[in-house]
Amino acid sequence: EILMTQSPATLSVSPGERATLSCRASQSVRTNLAWYQQKPGQPPRLLIYGASTRASGVPARFSGSGSGTEFTLAISSLQSEDFAVYYCQHWRTFGQGTKLEIK
Amino acid sequence: QVQLVESGGGVVQPGTSLRLSCATSGFTFITYAMHWVRQAPGKGLEWVAVIPYDGNDVDYADSVKGRFAISRDNPKNTLYLQMNSLREEDTAVYFCATDGIGPYYFDHWGQGTLVTVSS
Repeated sequence: EILMTQSPATLSVSPGERATLSCRASQSVRTNLAWYQQKPGQPPRLLIYGASTRASGVPARFSGSGSGTEFTLAISSLQSEDFAVYYCQHWRTFGQGTKLEIK
Repeated sequence: QVQLVESGGGVVQPGTSLRLSCATSGFTFITYAMHWVRQAPGKGLEWVAVIPYDGNDVDYADSVKGRFAISRDNPKNTLYLQMNSLREEDTAVYFCATDGIGPYYFDHWGQGTLVTVSS
């Protein structure tokens, strides 16, 4: 079973700044990786699939990169609505999440 | 637009059963695999089960295998999850989801239904 590990658990960033979230797979998943955003009381929202393809309607400030075992979700110029929990996912396995909070 | 609406959650005692439903609209249900994903209170996401478009080759997470059964009624555009022998650790919000853009890329989600297993 492939394990997905996200870091950090919590990231504090000021609005307008850039945030970088990491996800590591225990073995290569090629580019079979997705990122989701979840706000309290809401279902997750697909942001990125195939490691780097933005889902429909996702703003261009969200970008995904990486392949194999190391992946990054970058959010440039953070907006207030971007503060949430972010999960990476490969196949049936989700990472434990990174909480992006306002600094 | 795509809509997924779960129902059937509630408070039940350990060892009992519950059936969840997910009514869908806005897309061609019969052409998509469907999934259940759950989230325990304050915790992360856990994939639970998948059913392909034709209902064959269903699969489950080890944590629910042998206790839960996923099914679908394509004429009714509805997904189900029969949950038997419920345990306190099954307490969670249960989401139904589609993977319309690729296997296991969950592009549409319902709002979820809360299942609480408690004595």
